[in-house]
Amino acid sequence: GQNIDQPTEMTATEGAIVQINCTYQTSGFNGLFWYQQHAGEAPTFLSYNVLDGLEEKGRFSSFLSRSKGYSYLLLKELQMKDSASYLCAGTDSWGKLQFGAGTQVVVTP
Amino acid sequence: DTAVSQTPKYLVTQMGNDKSIKCEQNLGHDTMYWYKQDSKKFLKIMFSYNNKELIINETVPNRFSPKSPDKAHLNLHINSLELGDSAVYFCASSQVGAGGDNEQFFGPGTRLTVL
Repeated sequence: GQNIDQPTEMTATEGAIVQINCTYQTSGFNGLFWYQQHAGEAPTFLSYNVLDGLEEKGRFSSFLSRSKGYSYLLLKELQMKDSASYLCAGTDSWGKLQFGAGTQVVVTP
Repeated sequence: DTAVSQTPKYLVTQMGNDKSIKCEQNLGHDTMYWYKQDSKKFLKIMFSYNNKELIINETVPNRFSPKSPDKAHLNLHINSLELGDSAVYFCASSQVGAGGDNEQFFGPGTRLTVL
């Protein structure tokens, strides 16, 4: 099984940068996903890391260290629409996703 | 539009009833999943099917029975509904389940309320 830990909530102002940390303890770990979920909506894919290092996609970047069991999602130039829950999820070779409880990001004007 | 769709979007029912939730994907994916998201927003996998074959079956009460008539459909039937079954149920699909590196596309969710 997998244990995924991430902070419950983070608050930041528009235009700022926020880093959401995620630690995991897994068996059969294959890679790490980040999903975004707005209230009342479905989760949508943000990023996937399988190798150590940083993956950059526009304003969002994700980092993975397999040796440390650690990942983070970096949100730059925050916009009001970025207010959402961000879900860290480990996956095994069968595609089974084990989600953390999610980090609620609140962006203030 | 290509998507993962679920019906119904809302389901309100009495304890003890039997209900079904349907899921269809027209993305041409081989693998489909059912997740449960409880009131604390914890998203947990229940089942996964690859080409109509069950590949993931978490510790779920046997009142829950998935059925996959073809690889584009994965329905969830729930018998003898209990209060604790109240949650949002998400269906998802991905291109290939094995390898673990394939993005999952989620349906809009079905909010089940058991009274």
